Amino acid sequence: DVKVTQSSRYLVKRTGEKVFLECVQDMDHENMFWYRQDPGLGLRLIYFSYDVKMKEKGDIPEGYSVSREKKERFSLILESASTNQTSMYLCASSLWSSGRATDTQYFGPGTRLTVL
Amino acid sequence: QKEVEQDPGPLSVPEGAIVSLNCTYSNSAFQYFMWYRQYSRKGPELLMYTYSSGNKEDGRFTAQVDKSSKYISLFIRDSQPSDSATYLCAMSARGGGADGLTFGKGTHLIIQP
Repeated sequence: DVKVTQSSRYLVKRTGEKVFLECVQDMDHENMFWYRQDPGLGLRLIYFSYDVKMKEKGDIPEGYSVSREKKERFSLILESASTNQTSMYLCASSLWSSGRATDTQYFGPGTRLTVL
Repeated sequence: QKEVEQDPGPLSVPEGAIVSLNCTYSNSAFQYFMWYRQYSRKGPELLMYTYSSGNKEDGRFTAQVDKSSKYISLFIRDSQPSDSATYLCAMSARGGGADGLTFGKGTHLIIQP
């Protein structure tokens, strides 16, 4: 089974703090993703990565950055946390696009971040 | 116009009923269609994955895709209280969701014992 783990289930930070959210997958997947999920807005893509050192902006990258130094690990960074970044953050991974039926995104359990 | 439309519910049905969940979309490039189930305060888990139009069955779950109408459905037979969750439809133009998935907002389903 694919296993995607996230470093924290719950996190409370202060406005202006630098925040690191870590995600690790154990299935040698090339693609990794960060989403945020908010009531009434659904899941929205923040950043994704095809490979080590590579990153692509998603739909809402403002206020975030990412780091992928190793294939299995993808970090989301909030440079200066703000209250409007209070949300559920979900990491996902998938195999490189091959069109096979089993290739889709697998999600971690999520990190519920509260910025005070 | 939103790319993916999904009724947020809540949808409440009695145990044993057949449940029908639906999404419509506007982007004709979407070819891969998924249904995820999400329990409260958990990450989404994949239920069904289909490519292009057609039906796919897995146990009590059936996914249907009608690309000509830009309409996808998930049917749950013999619904159980444990099926109570939020169901998210998701879709992508590339396999593996390589450019990221586009999600509906989710339908909150309640199965009454």
